[in-house]
Amino acid sequence: GAVVSQHPSWVICKSGTSVKIECRSLDFQATTMFWYRQFPKQSLMLMATSNEGSKATYEQGVEKDKFLINHASLTLSTLTVTSAHPEDSSFYICSASGVPNTIYFGEGSWLTVV
Amino acid sequence: GESVGLHLPTLSVQEGDNSIINCAYSNSASDYFIWYKQESGKGPQFIIDIRSNMDKRQGQRVTVLLNKTVKHLSLQIAATQPGDSAVYFCAVREAAGNKLTFGGGTRVLVKP
Repeated sequence: GAVVSQHPSWVICKSGTSVKIECRSLDFQATTMFWYRQFPKQSLMLMATSNEGSKATYEQGVEKDKFLINHASLTLSTLTVTSAHPEDSSFYICSASGVPNTIYFGEGSWLTVV
Repeated sequence: GESVGLHLPTLSVQEGDNSIINCAYSNSASDYFIWYKQESGKGPQFIIDIRSNMDKRQGQRVTVLLNKTVKHLSLQIAATQPGDSAVYFCAVREAAGNKLTFGGGTRVLVKP
């Protein structure tokens, strides 16, 4: 079964509102979680690296004030898309890592901003 | 930084034939390599991995080959089946941390 759970699987929100996506590691402690976004027919692009209890490290070009990441516990990281716009519509995927060489991906969350 | 590329964006293969998907990477310090399968609308599914101290690893119907000299890895799928139709990504980890860089992806289409 899944070891990393994302919620919601899909969400539709109005332009200008904020939406939160959760990423949970189900049976292991994830010291690090990663957030990716994927546009149709494209590869996964890393947005940020989230370490439990510390600020996330954002990749170049990713607005940290727009994509708020919180990793308050060893089993939960959240991505909040603030003031969402249609161009933020995408597939957002998280992965979680505990011990080295163990990286598990969630099933992804579809965000549609209308 | 790391850059990862793929040689073939789309691969059509007859059912029962073998498939080979290629991937090139640029950072010689990369130490861990993973192949993922992604079906439409789903997250990446782990297929097989290989560490930099190996050059070949086999799984069930899949084999990953790593050539560190030319910074190239490949995924071989034996006796390709319709259920193998998906997009395949290679992912490369730099020596520090578990941060992965993904290649562009190859779509595999299995013809009956």
